Amino acid sequence: EVQLVQSGAEVKKPGESLKISCKASGYTFTSYWIGWVRQMPGKGLEWMGIIYPRDSDTKYSPSFQGQVTISVDTSISTAYLQWSSLKASAPAMYFCVRSGSGWGEPFDIWGQGTMVTVSS
Amino acid sequence: EIVLTQSPGTLSLSPGERATLSCRASQSFVSTFLAWYQQKPGQAPRLLMSGASNRATGVPDRFTGGGSGTDFTLHINRLEPEDVAVYFCQQYWSSPYTFGQGTRLEIK
Repeated sequence: EVQLVQSGAEVKKPGESLKISCKASGYTFTSYWIGWVRQMPGKGLEWMGIIYPRDSDTKYSPSFQGQVTISVDTSISTAYLQWSSLKASAPAMYFCVRSGSGWGEPFDIWGQGTMVTVSS
Repeated sequence: EIVLTQSPGTLSLSPGERATLSCRASQSFVSTFLAWYQQKPGQAPRLLMSGASNRATGVPDRFTGGGSGTDFTLHINRLEPEDVAVYFCQQYWSSPYTFGQGTRLEIK
């Protein structure tokens, strides 16, 4: 079964760093783009960025460029989303998503989501 | 950036009726790059339709999609209680990939 399993909920303070993970299974990790989508409570979906694990080619939404870093560890089929210094904000859910093997394909597999709360 | 505007914001219909959801783009793009997602309460979204009209695996044929250029539509025939969800359209034609704000479907 193809699936993406994300790390658990996080509660952090402003200024702290954070790295959440997304472990892929059931398919060849290096052959599909994998990305991240944010959803604020009761709000819509925002595409943050995407990475191709085979060569780490990464593309970011302008809204998130410089705010987060997307990376992968191909040895354990895991993608990461990290912040070096969190800012206070409303809680948000972060979903990892699998896209296709080529550029310009929909998100056919979604992780269960990781809730991140940043509060002093 | 392509902006997608969905209408209506909320749709309230009875079981057995037909739902029509609209997604309008700020600029034209190839319909091959339009997807619909369904997000049920408390769940992650799931892919419903890609290429504007191709149902994803396991999606009932009550769901049909179409459109081209800047106007796309999702129809849900013979509504069932399990269709309660928020539906999002998405373009993956150009970066940044963007989503519409969603249409909430309620079943009376």
